[in-house]
Amino acid sequence: AQKITQTQPGMFVQEKEAVTLDCTYDTSDQSYGLFWYKQPSSGEMIFLIYQGSYDEQNATEGRYSLNFQKARKSANLVISASQLGDSAMYFCAMSILLDTGRRALTFGSGTRLQVQP
Amino acid sequence: ETGVTQSPTHLIKTRGQQVTLRCSSQSGHNTVSWYQQALGQGPQFIFQYYREEENGRGNFPPRFSGLQFPNYSSELNVNALELDDSALYLCASSLAGSDYGYTFGSGTRLTVV
Repeated sequence: AQKITQTQPGMFVQEKEAVTLDCTYDTSDQSYGLFWYKQPSSGEMIFLIYQGSYDEQNATEGRYSLNFQKARKSANLVISASQLGDSAMYFCAMSILLDTGRRALTFGSGTRLQVQP
Repeated sequence: ETGVTQSPTHLIKTRGQQVTLRCSSQSGHNTVSWYQQALGQGPQFIFQYYREEENGRGNFPPRFSGLQFPNYSSELNVNALELDDSALYLCASSLAGSDYGYTFGSGTRLTVV
């Protein structure tokens, strides 16, 4: 079964500190993508970072980095120097291969991050 | 470059009714996927449209159906609404063959009473 697991329903972090959001995945596909999205209360899914399964280096995008450990099937998101505006739901997702040969996303249950001043 | 636009933003329907949700894809994207996000959960894949045909479907009953138009915009139709259909419905557009560029809209929040 192809599945994303996020075991932290909620996390607190102090402003300006770093925080790690956990994500593990299960797949039998050789090629897949891992994504992190931020969802503020407005509902829109905002893309943060992407890691391809064959990428040897961990992805980074500004204050976001993805700690990809393929053997452990984990893809944790690290946010450095947290800001008050980082308070939101965070979803880890994986691209899955459909029967048609196309791809879609499967999501974890999310982690609510609250940044405290 | 325009993003993904969904309408309406909010909707209240009665159990048993039918509803149509709309999505305009991002410029340059030719594939549209729909997701259902129940309260407190992650989004779940409903189906995907490419070249005006359904191109993959998640674990949703046939009363969930869709359309894609020549301009790549899409509709999600739900018949015989049930209370459990209350959710945020998200549309995502992408380019066929790309596993990277999924762009989501802000969603339609459907409440079934």
